[in-house]
Parts: sequence; C-alpha cells; structure tokens
Amino acid sequence: QKEVEQDPGPLSVPEGAIVSLNCTYSNSAFQYFMWYRQYSRKGPELLMYTYSSGNKEDGRFTAQVDKSSKYISLFIRDSQPSDSATYLCAMSIRGSNYKLTFGKGTLLTVNP
Amino acid sequence: DTGVSQDPRHKITKRGQNVTFRCDPISEHNRLYWYRQTLGQGPEFLTYFQNEAQLEKSRLLSDRFSAERPKGSFSTLEIQRTEQGDSAMYLCASSGQNSYEQYFGPGTRLTVT
Repeated sequence: QKEVEQDPGPLSVPEGAIVSLNCTYSNSAFQYFMWYRQYSRKGPELLMYTYSSGNKEDGRFTAQVDKSSKYISLFIRDSQPSDSATYLCAMSIRGSNYKLTFGKGTLLTVNP
Repeated sequence: DTGVSQDPRHKITKRGQNVTFRCDPISEHNRLYWYRQTLGQGPEFLTYFQNEAQLEKSRLLSDRFSAERPKGSFSTLEIQRTEQGDSAMYLCASSGQNSYEQYFGPGTRLTVT
C-alpha cells in the first residue's frame, strides 16, 4: 500500500460543475497538506496549502482535511475549461525536511 | 519574484552520456528540493538542500546521480552514464526558511535514447 492514494481518474465534467478530488493517506505523521495543479508537460503549480483539519477556501477552491479519517479533498466550484489539468495532492511530515510525498494525480477535463 | 527556473527545459541524450541540469530557486529561499516524475505518476523526492548543505538523499538517487548547491544559490543535478530508465521529468522546488509549502519550476524533461 502506498503512503498516499489518489484515484487517477480520468474525471470528465461539464463546465460549471462542482468537482471533488480526494486523497487518502496511511501515515498519521503527515501534518502539512498541499494541492498542486499540473498542466501537460509543465511543472506543478501550488494551489492550496494547509496544516489544520477543517476547510480552507480561496476563490473557487476549497481544501478540506480530515486527519481523523486520513482523508483530504479539493473542491472546485463553477469549474471552467481552463481548470482542465492533473491535480496532485501532496503532504509532508514536520521535521522531515518537509519533503513532499505525492499522490499519482487525478486527470480532470472540464468540457465547455 | 521571478519564480523557480530550470535549464534546459528539454534534453535528449544517448545512453551512456552524462547530463547536467540547473535550477535557480526563488531568491532568498534557502531550501531546495529535486524530484523526479515519470509518466502517470506523482513526483518522487530525490534530494534536499538547506543552503549549501545536502541534508537528505533518497534511495532513488543512485551513485550515478550527484547534486550540488554551491554557495547556497543555484543547484545542479548531474546524471552520469545515463540509462533509458532515467527518462523522466526532473523537477526542482524551493521553499523559504519558515515555510512548508514548495514552489516548483517548469522541469527538465530528459529523454535517453
């Protein structure tokens, strides 16, 4: 079992839909959680980061962390064709040099 | 703030050749990371620098790989005697002293023929 599990999809939704992306993890030492967006053949772009359980909102994006269930989510409201990309969850352990452990990524397509 | 830059963006080399990649982190970021990403996978950690000190290396980093960060500024990653299995995207990320979030560069795509 990998430390971070993420459904690779692909996920296809119509424009304007609410998108839910999820990751589960097995190592309870993970303390910091991030979501990255990666367009084809580009580097990952940091979207959201948080270290606490609960919700964090930024525009159309909401990151949710449930440490008791070892489950994190990213919600995208009013999805746009420009949101079409691979979404990667990543997490790190405090005191571990903060190196990131990634999920495999979920490929999202938003259809106009 | 110009972001993390990497050079070259794409490198094609023949098996057995040596290659070197460069990463310029965000200015004043003292933490620098190298990751490797293969098709359909998330990035995997290779090595970590704090200032000029290389503090951690993954077991993925075989003895054919070496990384440096002279003077704690830019970093280089060298692969000697490249193999076809080295074909991947090599990503560099940087982070500030009191931050846990990392910012990535555009990556160097290596193709070994």
